[in-house]
Order: sequence, then structure tokens, then C-alpha cells
Amino acid sequence: AQSVTQPDIHITVSEGASLELRCNYSYGATPYLFWYVQSPGQGLQLLLKYFSGDTLVQGIKGFEAEFKRSQSSFNLRKPSVHWSDAAEYFCAVGAYYNQGGKLIFGQGTELSVKP
Amino acid sequence: GAVVSQHPSWVICKSGTSVKIECRSLDFQATTMFWYRQFPKQSLMLMATSNEGSKATYEQGVEKDKFLINHASLTLSTLTVTSAHPEDSSFYICSPVSYQETQYFGPGTRLLVL
Repeated sequence: AQSVTQPDIHITVSEGASLELRCNYSYGATPYLFWYVQSPGQGLQLLLKYFSGDTLVQGIKGFEAEFKRSQSSFNLRKPSVHWSDAAEYFCAVGAYYNQGGKLIFGQGTELSVKP
Repeated sequence: GAVVSQHPSWVICKSGTSVKIECRSLDFQATTMFWYRQFPKQSLMLMATSNEGSKATYEQGVEKDKFLINHASLTLSTLTVTSAHPEDSSFYICSPVSYQETQYFGPGTRLLVL
């Protein structure tokens, strides 16, 4: 079955600290992977995506993610978190070579940032 | 970036009534529209896919007669929840896709059925 798991429902980090949000997937075909951020009252915003090639992808706002096929993982990282990064983060997997199409989302990880 | 609006942003209604949610792509044309819903503390789940001028395709377990989708134009799609019940209370999110195959998401509509 196709699925995406984000093991951490809620994470709190101090401002300036590093961040890693975990994402594991189960997918029958070559996965196209995405990370989105959702702020209250805002639509989902694409942070980064992986289709092929270099397994370390850079995104907006200083985020990066690494695709590890052997571990079926696509963890999101940021070296230094800012207070404005507090939001809900969703990992997603899709089947089409474009920016989305039918997406299967993880449960989301809520990030809180301590001053 | 592209702007997507949803109206209303939240709605409370009585059980048995129908609720219409509008999704507009304000500065681009959406060839495809996805509708998702998100229950509290759960992930977004795809409900249906529609292309302009065509009937929507519903995901397994989503009642097409209950969730009516109209994609009559390239900038407007509507989702009508007919005879809403408390179990339909959720967060509904539209996701239009442009000609350039760029996918966007609306800010969502929170529905509470009493």
C-alpha cells in the first residue's frame, strides 16, 4: 500500500538550533517526493521536491532534504531555525513527473520554535 | 506567486443542509482541480479530481452524490457538500494545477456541521 509516515506529530526546537523532520514512504513505483509547509490561514507552500538526480535537494527558506532510497526516507533539514519557521510541515509522495498531481500526504509535523 | 482563494474560509451549518465551497485561481487558469480534505490531526486525503468541463473522478470511499464538484470554468471550481452531517466536519482544501503543471493550494475551508 502507498503511504507516507511522519513519525513526529510535534517538535519543539530553540531558535537557532538545527532541525530535522522525518519522513518515510511506502510506494510501489519510483517516488516523486515533496515537502510542504502550511501556516494558519495560508495554503500549502512547496518547500522542495525530488524527482531524480542528486539526492540532496535544496529548497526555499534555507531548507534541504535528502532522499535515501535504501531507507525509504526523505528527511527535511534546516541548519538554523528561525521563529518564522513555526508551522505545520507535510511530506508527500506523488506519481507524476510534474509538481504534484495526486499526492499522498503524511500526517504532518507541527513545529514550534522557542525563543 | 499565484493566488488561490477559497470562500468561505469557515462555515458552521446545521445537519441536513448543503454547503457550497468556492475555489478560485485568481491569476492563472486551472486545467485540473484537486479537492482534498483534512480531518483533525490527520493528513490531507484526496477526494476527487476534476478537469474543466468534465465530470469529476472520485477517490474510493468518497460519495459522488454527496460531494458535488463543478469545474465550469478555468478559474472557478465549487465543492458542494449535500445534506451535511457532523461526520463531514473537516478542513476542505482545493488544489488547482496550471497549464504549466504547477500545483497550488487554497487556504482551506473549515466546515463544522452541528
